[in-house]
Amino acid sequence: QLQLQESGPGLVKPSETLSLTCTVSGGSIRSNSYYWGWIRQPPGKGLEWIGTIYYSGTTYYNPSLKSRVTISVDTSKNQFSLKLSSVTAADTAVYYCAKTALSSGWSFTDYWGQGTLVTVSS
Amino acid sequence: DIVMTQSPDSLAVSLGERATINCKSSQSVLYSSNNKNYLAWYQQKPGQPPKLLIYWASTRESGVPDRFSGSGSGTDFTLTISGLQAEDVAVYYCQQHYSSPPTFGQGTKLEIK
Repeated sequence: QLQLQESGPGLVKPSETLSLTCTVSGGSIRSNSYYWGWIRQPPGKGLEWIGTIYYSGTTYYNPSLKSRVTISVDTSKNQFSLKLSSVTAADTAVYYCAKTALSSGWSFTDYWGQGTLVTVSS
Repeated sequence: DIVMTQSPDSLAVSLGERATINCKSSQSVLYSSNNKNYLAWYQQKPGQPPKLLIYWASTRESGVPDRFSGSGSGTDFTLTISGLQAEDVAVYYCQQHYSSPPTFGQGTKLEIK
């Protein structure tokens, strides 16, 4: 059974860079034609798609975050990562790593990690 | 971006009754070349990640009870829960994946009356 697990600091200072890693188990990040990505949810609010990456390195980003986001992949560790720079309190959210259900960078999601709360505060 | 608007924002339904949640997209999410609506529905319970319920607007994900059904085409979609059970209390989201960035509705909170 495929499992995704987020890891990283739960507290980030304003203006610094948020860094998270997602470890995939129960399957290879190189297998099939799926994309791997990040979705976030501010406390008590809705879902926002951040972006996805293919194991080859092809990425798709939400234009609203594109200038601050980098998603990368490490196939040797079966992991992918998120970096979000110049964070503010508005970036406080639960961050989910996820797998697309189709071979499209913006497909719907069929597997989700449990999510990790990242708070931006000094 | 395609804007997804759900109605109502919250809904209280008696056990065993039917719950209906609507989702409207700002432009059609029907792809003419394959006649598929690029619309998915998710269920999110407190403290949990969203769970995929429905994709292609009306196809149930494996393991999802058949009391959950999706319908609609183009810009107007509906999630119906027939015979509401206590474990269906959750927030429900629609999502379009017709174009990037994929976008979600604001969510509909379903409670027991």
